[in-house]
Amino acid sequence: QAVLTQPSSLSASPGASASLTCTLRSGLDVGPYWIYWYQQKPGSPPHFLLKYNSDSDNQQGSGVPSRFSGSKDASANAGILIVSGVQPEDEADYYCMIWHSSVVVFGGGTKLTVL
Amino acid sequence: QVQLQESGPGLVKPSQTLSLTCTVSGGSLSTGGHYWSWIRQHPGKGLEWIGYIYYSGFVSYNPSLNSRITISLDTSKNQFSLRLNSVTAADTAVYYCASTSTPVAGIYTWFDPWGQGTPVTVSS
Repeated sequence: QAVLTQPSSLSASPGASASLTCTLRSGLDVGPYWIYWYQQKPGSPPHFLLKYNSDSDNQQGSGVPSRFSGSKDASANAGILIVSGVQPEDEADYYCMIWHSSVVVFGGGTKLTVL
Repeated sequence: QVQLQESGPGLVKPSQTLSLTCTVSGGSLSTGGHYWSWIRQHPGKGLEWIGYIYYSGFVSYNPSLNSRITISLDTSKNQFSLRLNSVTAADTAVYYCASTSTPVAGIYTWFDPWGQGTPVTVSS
């Protein structure tokens, strides 16, 4: 079972909200983990969006629009990237990441399509 | 502003050793404060962290690759390098170097900056 699981794809209409999930493997509790989110567009390296631990403990990347935000769903054991008011330029791949015992783990990525 | 640039052969034969170098500008590998990492991305797939090195020489590797990888520093050239032994077609990927700041109060940071990536194909 993968450490971090992301849905492979998600579609959203312009102006709608999109929630991208990052589910931690059974046995790992999302509570203590900082969840990091990256955006990657074709031909470019990933770009850091934000890191999230709680509503009072999170950090936005430099220049990242406020329509990108983070959350957690403890019942689903998942971190969530919320894109409020999706824009056409938000069409990209999104990756979650955690540090787990000084080792880095990435999720498999979600392709967000803006219809 | 720190910038990273990967370099190395784009084609490696199966069973041979893949060697890549990341040249750092705008920052020094001789001082602390950063972890210097390698990350790869298989064609059309997600990201895989390979490992990192600290200025002291301390390394941390992906357990799934640990037996085949070596990351090293050359502070005189301000470069760090990746060696991956016994490559197969499954090692075909775009290889990125990237940097993170060291943790503060136990809280790690994100990868930034990244190099542009260098594609490596393993084929005879």
